[in-house]
Amino acid sequence: AQSVDQPDAHVTLYEGASLELRCSYSYSAAPYLFWYVQYPGQSLQFLLKYITGDAVVKGTKGFEAEFRKSNSSFNLKKSPAHWSDSAKYFCALEGLRGGSNYKLTFGKGTLITVTP
Amino acid sequence: DTTVKQNPRYKLARVGKPVNLICSQTMNHDTMYWYQKKPNQAPKLLLFYYDKILNREADTFEKFQSSRPNNSFCSLYIGSAGLEYSAMYLCASSKGTAWEQYFGPGTRLTVL
Repeated sequence: AQSVDQPDAHVTLYEGASLELRCSYSYSAAPYLFWYVQYPGQSLQFLLKYITGDAVVKGTKGFEAEFRKSNSSFNLKKSPAHWSDSAKYFCALEGLRGGSNYKLTFGKGTLITVTP
Repeated sequence: DTTVKQNPRYKLARVGKPVNLICSQTMNHDTMYWYQKKPNQAPKLLLFYYDKILNREADTFEKFQSSRPNNSFCSLYIGSAGLEYSAMYLCASSKGTAWEQYFGPGTRLTVL
């Protein structure tokens, strides 16, 4: 079984502050980890992923995430935050669902509000 | 073009009636997915096609059907809608495992 937890449902911060979104996962093998973002009125969009290699991965729009196997986390960071970063962010894990098929399991998402 | 399209964007259905949702992509992706998303919940995988092979999740196996007449199109079919089917239905496509998924705008289904 696999699961993803995003403990913060809503985070509010001021523009210019540092943004960090928490994500923890449960999976018995090496995970493929993703962050997706949904801006208001738009579709879910891919932000970045960790497959293997360097623990810190960089994505679009100045975001980066750090994979920590020791505590099963994949936190998303950006500094400084901009008002345009206001969106809902989803952490996801791709793991085996049976046989050779994989599935993406999402967290519930964290809504970020950046105030100017 | 990395767009995934979904039709209709909004669908109103009566309890007990069938529902058919459509998705298309022109990226020549092997895999197409359907997710169900309810407010304040994580998107939940319902089923996916890898090429012409349909894979359905065990807990929704009997509730949803799908077809993929060609590489570009994929449908989601509900034979008899219940109130619990009211949700946003998201279609996505990808090249395969470990590749990012491209999502459509979703179809908001309301069952009355």
